[in-house]
Amino acid sequence: DAKTTQPPSMDCAEGRAANLPCNHSTISGNEYVYWYRQIHSQGPQYIIHGLKNNETNEMASLIITEDRKSSTLILPHATLRDTAVYYCIVRVVTSYDKVIFGPGTSLSVIP
Amino acid sequence: EAQVTQNPRYLITVTGKKLTVTCSQNMNHEYMSWYRQDPGLGLRQIYYSMNVEVTDKGDVPEGYKVSRKEKRNFPLILESPSPNQTSLYFCASSLGAGVGYTFGSGTRLTVV
Repeated sequence: DAKTTQPPSMDCAEGRAANLPCNHSTISGNEYVYWYRQIHSQGPQYIIHGLKNNETNEMASLIITEDRKSSTLILPHATLRDTAVYYCIVRVVTSYDKVIFGPGTSLSVIP
Repeated sequence: EAQVTQNPRYLITVTGKKLTVTCSQNMNHEYMSWYRQDPGLGLRQIYYSMNVEVTDKGDVPEGYKVSRKEKRNFPLILESPSPNQTSLYFCASSLGAGVGYTFGSGTRLTVV
């Protein structure tokens, strides 16, 4: 089973911030939180990742709660091209690199 | 351009005819992985490799083989394909633990 849970779908108005939540209540101390998105059947695209601290890059911001049991991906000014399925995963790389994707959140950006 | 290249993009084959889907990356990444994606089941990891000659099973390895003889290539081999292996396949590579995976464009395989 996936180690993360996300709402199956969300809508966001174009130009507004899209806030996508993810629950990872069983996360271990050395597991990173990663976010990817997939547009139609294209290869998933890496967005951002973090361990403890909040992170920001040119695409998005990642807010991780202090207890690390949940996180939020923020797309500051959503455009129609941000319509996609967003996946939140946890990943630890030690002697193995198993990754489990859940069903993700289907984000629809509405004009 | 940094990328993961899969070939072929589309393939229709018959049951039992061995096939290989190639994957190559030009980023000198240590980690590589194969996924399959099916409607309602999402992305599932088939095999992964953490270095040359080091491979391990993901969640759905049955019916597949892989090899990692050189860092840049990670082919997926179906020795005797069956219709239940009809799927969309993605190869991905990563520099390491603190870096995200870069995915290829996918291979849509149909086994009849």
